[in-house]
Amino acid sequence: SQQGEEDPQALSIQEGENATMNCSYKTSINNLQWYRQNSGRGLVHLILIRSNEREKHSGRLRVTLDTSKKSSSLLITASRAADTASYFCATASMDSNYQLIWGAGTKLIIKP
Amino acid sequence: GAGVSQTPSNKVTEKGKYVELRCDPISGHTALYWYRQSLGQGPEFLIYFQGTGAADDSGLPNDRFFAVRPEGSVSTLKIQRTERGDSAVYLCASSLGPGGQDTQYFGPGTRLTVL
Repeated sequence: SQQGEEDPQALSIQEGENATMNCSYKTSINNLQWYRQNSGRGLVHLILIRSNEREKHSGRLRVTLDTSKKSSSLLITASRAADTASYFCATASMDSNYQLIWGAGTKLIIKP
Repeated sequence: GAGVSQTPSNKVTEKGKYVELRCDPISGHTALYWYRQSLGQGPEFLIYFQGTGAADDSGLPNDRFFAVRPEGSVSTLKIQRTERGDSAVYLCASSLGPGGQDTQYFGPGTRLTVL
């Protein structure tokens, strides 16, 4: 079952602007992961943030995690046309050491 | 190094036929996962292998679906008596350790279309 929810479902911005996507979840987690998917095919892992971390950076990506609100955000700074893709959050539950629970994704369109 | 590969990339079949989808994980990865993804949705868990055994097959929708990983490397997802509702992209992923603790690396997927 899908327990993560991304917000917004779709986002369209101009190249160079920042894009922020949010993810909410329901259960206690061990970690939360963000993935990118182009054209409905393979998913690419972007970043993993553990439950005891509050913020993590990777290049132009910044992820925050608020376990009290059961939410996370993904910020892409200085967006590029190549960032156009769907972005998914996936949570690793405390109850399972292997299964990821996925949201429905945010479709991001960067206009040149 | 080589990533996860899946074959075929596209499969069109007729309702009622049998299909096999293959996944070749990253060498040395003990954990392997099959997911199914419909348009506009996130991946839906099907089955998880740790080594040769299916540690969790609770996501398989019914007994028409079966998966094997006989030597702990390549895995095959088998679908009998295909139905139109089986049309989706089937994704395979592997990880070094259990995927909840470790990064899952995904293959490009197999797009299955049942006519």
